[in-house]
Amino acid sequence: KAGVTQTPRYLIKTRGQQVTLSCSPISGHRSVSWYQQTPGQGLQFLFEYFSETQRNKGNFPGRFSGRQFSNSRSEMNVSTLELGDSALYLCASSFLPDRGDTGELFFGEGSRLTVL
Amino acid sequence: GNSVTQMEGPVTLSEEAFLTINCTYTATGYPSLFWYVQYPGEGLQLLLKATKADDKGSNKGFEATYRKETTSFHLEKGSVQVSDSAVYFCALGRTGGFKTIFGAGTRLFVKA
Repeated sequence: KAGVTQTPRYLIKTRGQQVTLSCSPISGHRSVSWYQQTPGQGLQFLFEYFSETQRNKGNFPGRFSGRQFSNSRSEMNVSTLELGDSALYLCASSFLPDRGDTGELFFGEGSRLTVL
Repeated sequence: GNSVTQMEGPVTLSEEAFLTINCTYTATGYPSLFWYVQYPGEGLQLLLKATKADDKGSNKGFEATYRKETTSFHLEKGSVQVSDSAVYFCALGRTGGFKTIFGAGTRLFVKA
């Protein structure tokens, strides 16, 4: 079974630009979560999607947005990039347990964004 | 609110030493508890989990017991190897809100 695939793996942008990151979950997984990982802040929750609906959003400015497609693939977008957006962006998928909340997460290798 | 606190690192051990990484949590309801590991240059992967009080999760020689009375989920291994060098994250799931809450991570270095 293929794992979670994130593209691109590395990218460099300049301040003010925008970026789109893509995530393909494990086949059959309908929940996709995004996290930002930085040395200073650790893992910060961005948002979670299930069946194309955003069910929760973390404490990030509106420049951070996402969406999920009918095939469960997800994208996140960051507009007007700032230096502080440099981070590893991790996507995780989950097979919904019976209670409907996320259980075990399966992570991709991440997209490392550098903003200059 | 729900939160996870784990011991700060880095932790440096010699090969074959005993490892403990402390993790405590604050949560309402009946959360699930997880330990994830991140090797250099990779994403996180599940190491072990426990879904109810007194459950013991185990994998690759690592163990952790879900202690509701002390709200703890400490990670232990009897004899670490150089290949165990990684960052370990304690995490809280099924707290409602469709998100998993992670601790700050503890970096482990194992010397040969």
